[in-house]
Amino acid sequence: NAGVTQTPKFRILKIGQSMTLQCTQDMNHNYMYWYRQDPGMGLKLIYYSVGAGITDKGEVPNGYNVSRSTTEDFPLRLELAAPSQTSVYFCASSVQGKETQYFGPGTRLLVL
Amino acid sequence: GENVEQHPSTLSVQEGDSAVIKCTYSDSASNYFPWYKQELGKRPQLIIDIRSNVGEKKDQRIAVTLNKTAKHFSLHITETQPEDSAVYFCAPAGGAQKLVFGQGTRLTINP
Repeated sequence: NAGVTQTPKFRILKIGQSMTLQCTQDMNHNYMYWYRQDPGMGLKLIYYSVGAGITDKGEVPNGYNVSRSTTEDFPLRLELAAPSQTSVYFCASSVQGKETQYFGPGTRLLVL
Repeated sequence: GENVEQHPSTLSVQEGDSAVIKCTYSDSASNYFPWYKQELGKRPQLIIDIRSNVGEKKDQRIAVTLNKTAKHFSLHITETQPEDSAVYFCAPAGGAQKLVFGQGTRLTINP
């Protein structure tokens, strides 16, 4: 099993550009999450999904969108990138909400 | 929503000594209490967790204790080793089926 994979590993965006961060898991987990981690800080939940076709906002959803058309994939869309979105983005998955979350390797995003 | 605080924010101990990190939370409905470890430049990984029907859980040098009345739980690491140096996050989960991460504790083990 590859676990949770994320692409790209690193990306530089110009202000106003858009991009999609990809996340895939091969563990057949129902729950998937997107977090952002600013330097020296904890993880803040952006969006999460409890199954295909179901998504919900987390603590910091503004400026982002998600979709969950399959169990495996949970892409995160950034529209109109802003410098405040410079961060490391982690995708995670779990069997249920109160179980171990398995994290991907992260995507480092720099908005200039 | 859940308010989570970790103390201390940084902790430096001599190799071989013990380290304790405390996490306080506000949601009385919380019933799942994990600790994650994040090494520099790496992804967070679960190291130990406890559920509200248990007061203490131990796994080799690592233990977690829970005080639901006082709404706090603690991570205990004994016989610390250099590879224990990392940032540790508590992430209690309440009725919303989501983890809420604390701000992290940077643990440094001095040789």
